Amino acid sequence: EAGVAQSPRYKIIEKRQSVAFWCNPISGHATLYWYQQILGQGPKLLIQFQNNGVVDDSQLPKDRFSAERLKGVDSTLKIQPAKLEDSAVYLCASSLGGKNYEQYFGPGTRLTVT
Amino acid sequence: AQRVTQPEKLLSVFKGAPVELKCNYSYSGSPELFWYVQYSRQRLQLLLRHISRESIKGFTADLNKGETSFHLKKPFAQEEDSAMYYCVLDGQNFVFGPGTRLSVLP
Repeated sequence: EAGVAQSPRYKIIEKRQSVAFWCNPISGHATLYWYQQILGQGPKLLIQFQNNGVVDDSQLPKDRFSAERLKGVDSTLKIQPAKLEDSAVYLCASSLGGKNYEQYFGPGTRLTVT
Repeated sequence: AQRVTQPEKLLSVFKGAPVELKCNYSYSGSPELFWYVQYSRQRLQLLLRHISRESIKGFTADLNKGETSFHLKKPFAQEEDSAMYYCVLDGQNFVFGPGTRLSVLP
């Protein structure tokens, strides 16, 4: 089966600009996650969707980050405006369910904010 | 609060030697714990989960609630085990540890 797809793979922007990342999960996976991984750290959960509803967005900086999952399939994560500290790899993952289900990760998008 | 610690950033062992990657957690509820692995130029993937009590690629991990630990062990390391290993706690939400890079030397 096809894995989790993400685009773009790399993005370089200047601070205060906007950027959007796209994720296509594995077909049939109800749960979708966005993580931020800063260099040298483990991934940090930003937001978790169950179908098209938000389960957890407690660590999403809502003043500048937003995410949506229309029709419970694809998802978009947006940053507006970007700050230098947003430089990181943004990972998307999907799973069949929530607790105890294996998460399947995409290749990630490497964002550099200059 | 939930927290996962992995005290070693880098662990180097020789091929055939035993390996233990340490993981400690803090969580007031009943924890669900996992080990995820990222091999060079590959995606992050599940290695094992404590609820399954399985051995994957020769690795095992036992949940010790008294010591709040979930250490990953393998009796004989192989060069192909070289990778980044993350301990993950599923409590109120998913929390990844900082990771340990395992390097198995020939």
